[in-house]
Amino acid sequence: GESVGLHLPTLSVQEGDNSIINCAYSNSASDYFIWYKQESGKGPQFIIDIRSNMDKRQGQRVTVLLNKTVKHLSLQIAATQPGDSAVYFCAEPLKFYFGSGTKLNVKP
Amino acid sequence: NAGVMQNPRHLVRRRGQEARLRCSPMKGHSHVYWYRQLPEEGLKFMVYLQKENIIDESGMPKERFSAEFPKEGPSILRIQQVVRGDSAAYFCASSPTNEQFFGPGTRLTVL
Repeated sequence: GESVGLHLPTLSVQEGDNSIINCAYSNSASDYFIWYKQESGKGPQFIIDIRSNMDKRQGQRVTVLLNKTVKHLSLQIAATQPGDSAVYFCAEPLKFYFGSGTKLNVKP
Repeated sequence: NAGVMQNPRHLVRRRGQEARLRCSPMKGHSHVYWYRQLPEEGLKFMVYLQKENIIDESGMPKERFSAEFPKEGPSILRIQQVVRGDSAAYFCASSPTNEQFFGPGTRLTVL
């Protein structure tokens, strides 16, 4: 699928809560995904990646889940902090596809 | 190891002028990618280059836009005869293989 020009969905969470951000993809042959974080006025920053031979990968406070059956990715952020406020998007870098993103607002 | 560098960070042009955006990849990276981002939207792929070669330009508009990555020096994205619709943030990324590292972007404003 291609990135489409939609207004970003927004997720508001309370500081300290867990956040879950979702992403769907269309190509069942997709085999490598990255989650990026983009703060206002800055370039995208790598958070975590996952290959299709895995269904879960954990980093520091972040977990990515991959469900190949329904072609769905999620990014879980534990104990969300104000510094986590940003736009998050999934990407299939090998196909140059970047999702339109979700804006995460963390309320103190 | 410095990250991906882009300049200028902000560029203002009048309609009809030319815009030149530069990208210096990370040291050792031979792959460069250009993306365009409109406000509140995701990244749209434009072009993928290796040194002296355009590998994939399927996202480049057919007219007025060109890109190069010479043997020496930065990659250049050139937009001729800019129009207001070209106003956007243009991001460059570089990679050694799969993972792309992004620069801070150039914000182009066309008056």
